Amino acid sequence: EPEVTQTPSHQVTQMGQEVILRCVPISNHLYFYWYRQILGQKVEFLVSFYNNEISEKSEIFDDQFSVERPDGSNFTLKIRSTKLEDSAMYFCASKDRTLEGSYNEQFFGPGTRLTVL
Amino acid sequence: TQLLEQSPQFLSIQEGENLTVYCNSSSVFSSLQWYRQEPGEGPVLLVTVVTGGEVKKLKRLTFQFGDARKDSSLHITAAQTGDTGLYLCAVNNDMRFGAGTRLTVKP
Repeated sequence: EPEVTQTPSHQVTQMGQEVILRCVPISNHLYFYWYRQILGQKVEFLVSFYNNEISEKSEIFDDQFSVERPDGSNFTLKIRSTKLEDSAMYFCASKDRTLEGSYNEQFFGPGTRLTVL
Repeated sequence: TQLLEQSPQFLSIQEGENLTVYCNSSSVFSSLQWYRQEPGEGPVLLVTVVTGGEVKKLKRLTFQFGDARKDSSLHITAAQTGDTGLYLCAVNNDMRFGAGTRLTVKP
């Protein structure tokens, strides 16, 4: 069964460093998402991506964040200068094209645990 | 923005008991999804409800969408230890999640 994969599973970095979190969405899916979940807190939407551009972003997704689909398979989240409060689980999700009147499932990856020291 | 409130925040019960958790909003939902998340993993979709008053069953789980499409409930019958996890509701179009109900089923 196809699944969303994410690498690395755990990333430790120093405050101020740049990190890139990688995701391989399910093949043929067209919508891509990043979420984060601070330990013990709710899942928070960061950004959605469709047709090679950001379709929606939350207030969390400031200038320190960027996303990219560098090739036909990867979807990355970059944090330019990490802060302590960026420590969280980061989940990637993908979704197939939405047929009119349908509500397609988002498939989530296993997450990357980012620890900023 | 549709704010989703889930209750209770935590629930600890014995195996075999029944339970109900809730997801509420002051806004009308076009659709609502329930997810289950286990520690260290991403959320996994359980069900999507779309029609007001709709009831969907998934084995021992019963999902109900309020008539006014502002609230939803998840009822688990005869809970098992494997039901332990974080139960999240989410609004599909808005991609917003509630804070979740953390369920612990003790043997």
